[in-house]
Amino acid sequence: DVQLVESGGGLVQPGGSLRLSCAASGFTFSASWMTWVRQAPGKGLEWVANIKQDGSEKYFMDSVKGRFTISRDNAKKSLYLQMNSLRVEDTAIYYCARNNLPFAFDRWGQGTMVTVSS
Amino acid sequence: QSALTQPPSASGSLGQSVTISCTGTSSDVGGYNYVSWYQQHPGKAPKLIIYEVSKWPSGVPDRFSGSKSGNTASLTVSGLQAEDEADYYCSSHAGIKYVFGTGTKVTVL
Repeated sequence: DVQLVESGGGLVQPGGSLRLSCAASGFTFSASWMTWVRQAPGKGLEWVANIKQDGSEKYFMDSVKGRFTISRDNAKKSLYLQMNSLRVEDTAIYYCARNNLPFAFDRWGQGTMVTVSS
Repeated sequence: QSALTQPPSASGSLGQSVTISCTGTSSDVGGYNYVSWYQQHPGKAPKLIIYEVSKWPSGVPDRFSGSKSGNTASLTVSGLQAEDEADYYCSSHAGIKYVFGTGTKVTVL
């Protein structure tokens, strides 16, 4: 059974850093594009970043460019999101999602909450 | 990249149909046949229900159907059931990025 389990969320002060992880199981992780999507409290979904199967291509939404880094370890079947210079507006549930269908997110984790507040 | 525009709410009676629109631009919805739709129940992760405008992932009932005309995509839920009450989001590929819709809360009367 396909599973994506996020971890690493928590409370951090503005300007701080956090590293999110997503552990994958039940499918060939190394064959899938992977994505981070976030959802601010009471708000809609927002695409954050994605990464190609071998890590050779990475794309980011404009507001996190230069602050967030996406990476993966195919041997550990894990996806990561390093978030630096965090802002209050980065407060959200962060979901990792798999892209196994053309340009669609076909499996999602349960999410991990990131709160940026002083 | 601006969010795709969806109506904030929609409703329909049990057994009836409801249609949700998703309006973008020629740089996203109108430029690619890569519109997908997601259903999200309160406190839960989103679930993919339509991809590539009108295709069903495995396990999704054909009561959900998608279409597109120009810069606007649509999701129709036929034979509304109580469990269809949820938030629905469209998404479109937009070059190297993705954009989501503003979301629509569907109420089953």
